[in-house]
Amino acid sequence: QKEVEQNSGPLSVPEGAIASLNCTYSDRGSQSFFWYRQYSGKSPELIMFIYSNGDKEDGRFTAQLNKASQYVSLLIRDSQPSDSATYLCAAHITDQAGTALIFGKGTTLSVSS
Amino acid sequence: GAVVSQHPSWVICKSGTSVKIECRSLDFQATTMFWYRQFPKQSLMLMATSNEGSKATYEQGVEKDKFLINHASLTLSTLTVTSAHPEDSSFYICSARASHSSNQPQHFGDGTRLSIL
Repeated sequence: QKEVEQNSGPLSVPEGAIASLNCTYSDRGSQSFFWYRQYSGKSPELIMFIYSNGDKEDGRFTAQLNKASQYVSLLIRDSQPSDSATYLCAAHITDQAGTALIFGKGTTLSVSS
Repeated sequence: GAVVSQHPSWVICKSGTSVKIECRSLDFQATTMFWYRQFPKQSLMLMATSNEGSKATYEQGVEKDKFLINHASLTLSTLTVTSAHPEDSSFYICSARASHSSNQPQHFGDGTRLSIL
């Protein structure tokens, strides 16, 4: 069973702090990884994707990938109340249909003002 | 760019009714579309993968005769929930990808909240 694991949280940080979200995956063959943000009752929206080991930065967001440890993380700097949402980590897997995204259960982030 | 439109956004209907949900890629051609289902406080569960012009491939445990998927063009996929029952009530979300490459992200529609009475 190919899985993506996340701590469900909630993760609570004060406004302006760094929020660190973590994710592990079981399929060593996964090559690309995605972070989505989902507000309650809404569909996910893409924040970042990464497929090379190391860090990838985009504005206040930094994704980190360590394939040897099968670990992906998302750092949010200068957290804002509007960042409060559920963050979904996803990994591409290959099955009989081709490639598809497998999602973790999500980490709920709460940023207090 | 990369806008995916899903319709309807909310459906309430009686048990036994069949419901069709449409997923359209508005500004790109989607070679592959995906259908997910999400129950409250749960993660997205992949139901099926649909490549344009071919039959959808369903995940284990998903009944293909109950959840009919048609991907007749590069911009439209439909999911029909046949003879829906209360246990089918869920949030159904489609996503689309512009190429077969796994490095390309999927873009999600706004979802359809299905309530079966």
